[in-house]
Amino acid sequence: KNEVEQSPQNLTAQEGEFITINCSYSVGISALHWLQQHPGGGIVSLFMLSSGKKKHGRLIATINIQEKHSSLHITASHPRDSAVYICAAHYNTDKLIFGTGTRLQVFP
Amino acid sequence: DAMVIQNPRYQVTQFGKPVTLSCSQTLNHNVMYWYQQKSSQAPKLLFHYYDKDFNNEADTPDNFQSRRPNTSFCFLDIRSPGLGDAAMYLCATSTYRGYEQYFGPGTRLTVT
Repeated sequence: KNEVEQSPQNLTAQEGEFITINCSYSVGISALHWLQQHPGGGIVSLFMLSSGKKKHGRLIATINIQEKHSSLHITASHPRDSAVYICAAHYNTDKLIFGTGTRLQVFP
Repeated sequence: DAMVIQNPRYQVTQFGKPVTLSCSQTLNHNVMYWYQQKSSQAPKLLFHYYDKDFNNEADTPDNFQSRRPNTSFCFLDIRSPGLGDAAMYLCATSTYRGYEQYFGPGTRLTVT
């Protein structure tokens, strides 16, 4: 069964802390997305990756194909980073399989 | 800026009264998707268009229909909204199937 699992489900941090959100998936994905959704808002695509590492500003995404695992890191976290972060995988179909999301709250 | 636009952002409709949600894109992408997202749940794919080719998910209720009159626009029609159809409706686009998806801001539908 094609699944995507995220951890933790909820995460709180103090401003400035380094944050890691984890995602694991089943064999056979073609690519993995990291998405951000603010409360009551639409979804923003942060990264799509199939290997290695990508960086955009304070955000870094890595993927380890052998371990079937991806991580999203936020350096120097800020209250505006508070959102739900969603991992979603493309298996060999047209569909994105979504994880359950990680709700992040960063306090000043 | 190239983007995915959804109108309106908030829509209130009455039980059983047909409603249409709109999505437009300036990305010239081939694929347009409609998702339904209920509170604290992951988005659920309703259907997608690859160019003019319509692809319905097996568990999408018949109450939900879609139209894509041209590359730029795609509409979601809910023929007889029920209370259970209240949700955020997200439109997304991608160049091809399996490529990165770009999401619109969503339309939050309330059914009274």
